Amino acid sequence: GAVVSQHPSWVICKSGTSVKIECRSLDFQATTMFWYRQFPKQSLMLMATSNEGSKATYEQGVEKDKFLINHASLTLSTLTVTSAHPEDSSFYICSAKGLAGMGVETQYFGPGTRLLVL
Amino acid sequence: GQNIDQPTEMTATEGAIVQINCTYQTSGFNGLFWYQQHAGEAPTFLSYNVLDGLEEKGRFSSFLSRSKGYSYLLLKELQMKDSASYLCAVMDSNYQLIWGAGTKLIIKP
Repeated sequence: GAVVSQHPSWVICKSGTSVKIECRSLDFQATTMFWYRQFPKQSLMLMATSNEGSKATYEQGVEKDKFLINHASLTLSTLTVTSAHPEDSSFYICSAKGLAGMGVETQYFGPGTRLLVL
Repeated sequence: GQNIDQPTEMTATEGAIVQINCTYQTSGFNGLFWYQQHAGEAPTFLSYNVLDGLEEKGRFSSFLSRSKGYSYLLLKELQMKDSASYLCAVMDSNYQLIWGAGTKLIIKP
């Protein structure tokens, strides 16, 4: 149980284009999903918290107009990188809040999306 | 402020035992998590501790001391596939996960 999928796994795009990444919880409903970015050899950096049916909460320094988040259903959140530039090239990972057993909530991660902006 | 500390890198030998430490200072505490992340992949959940003591799960065990703000992940009978980064994360009073920078574990034959 607690499987999270992401699509696409790889994307290469030209500078100035927009890229949409989907995050789905496959066998559970997730009212809360998280979007992270990870640069090579660095730790996860939380970009935003996505709550179903409401606006996402962005971390300090993350541009909400550049990274559009939509959590339209209990199983789907999308991240759109608008007008992507080479510095946006990174590993984008989503996670969904779910039960780990004993009533404990944890985060289950999708496989990640590698974005390369040329 | 909130802070999670763990060593940047550790090296161990195949078949041996290694202990990865994590100390934390957070606003509130609702549990400590360990995740494993292989290079180029997303993290996977390993363990959860909310009460003091040792939780054993196969070759992996996790220990927590809330009074000391301290946890460790113990890996026994190390295998080459255990080479990965190990992330310590604490759930704070707002039920948000505060992440450590991760410990890169290198296993040598």
